[in-house]
Amino acid sequence: GAVVSQHPSWVICKSGTSVKIECRSLDFQATTMFWYRQFPKQSLMLMATSNEGSKATYEQGVEKDKFLINHASLTLSTLTVTSAHPEDSSFYICSARSSRSSGRANQFFGPGTRLTVL
Amino acid sequence: GENVEQHPSTLSVQEGDSAVIKCTYSDSASNYFPWYKQELGKRPQLIIDIRSNVGEKKDQRIAVTLNKTAKHFSLHITETQPEDSAVYFCAASKGNAGNMLTFGGGTRLMVKP
Repeated sequence: GAVVSQHPSWVICKSGTSVKIECRSLDFQATTMFWYRQFPKQSLMLMATSNEGSKATYEQGVEKDKFLINHASLTLSTLTVTSAHPEDSSFYICSARSSRSSGRANQFFGPGTRLTVL
Repeated sequence: GENVEQHPSTLSVQEGDSAVIKCTYSDSASNYFPWYKQELGKRPQLIIDIRSNVGEKKDQRIAVTLNKTAKHFSLHITETQPEDSAVYFCAASKGNAGNMLTFGGGTRLMVKP
């Protein structure tokens, strides 16, 4: 089956530092990747849609200068949380959309990255 | 944009009983409705999905029903087991299955042995 990995799985950083999270599709090409944020006991909220070779599309209320997204290849998208603050602490999950058509769901989730900003 | 409401937020059932979770959506153009199961600290796992050209779909103990007119869909779990305990999310999407998903608020299901 399609596998999506994320790295790191967890990170603790000091306030003001930047953190990069990688999302990789391991056995398929992903033309589109989605980045979600999930606060404790809450739902997944879409932050942005990342398309390979083009600028990401951000959802309303998500600061593009704070959450930098790069989708440089068909298997890798990165999310950089710049100048992180405690309120950015959350579970960040990516999903990757297969470029192959499928009769079933072709969007696969990564395992998530737990970010804690001190 | 799309808005998905999910009820109840928590659900406690006795092992062997059935559990029903309901969702409504706002955008009549949505045509793909997946359900995900998420255990604590883990990724959402797709458990069943339904497209708008189908009214019902079943997979062993899990079934999903869709009422396009009323814009609501439901997840039914029969013969619940303790391992069914998790948070369940419904979602809605337009276009094909790879388009962006709008998630419901989630339902924490607890199955008591």
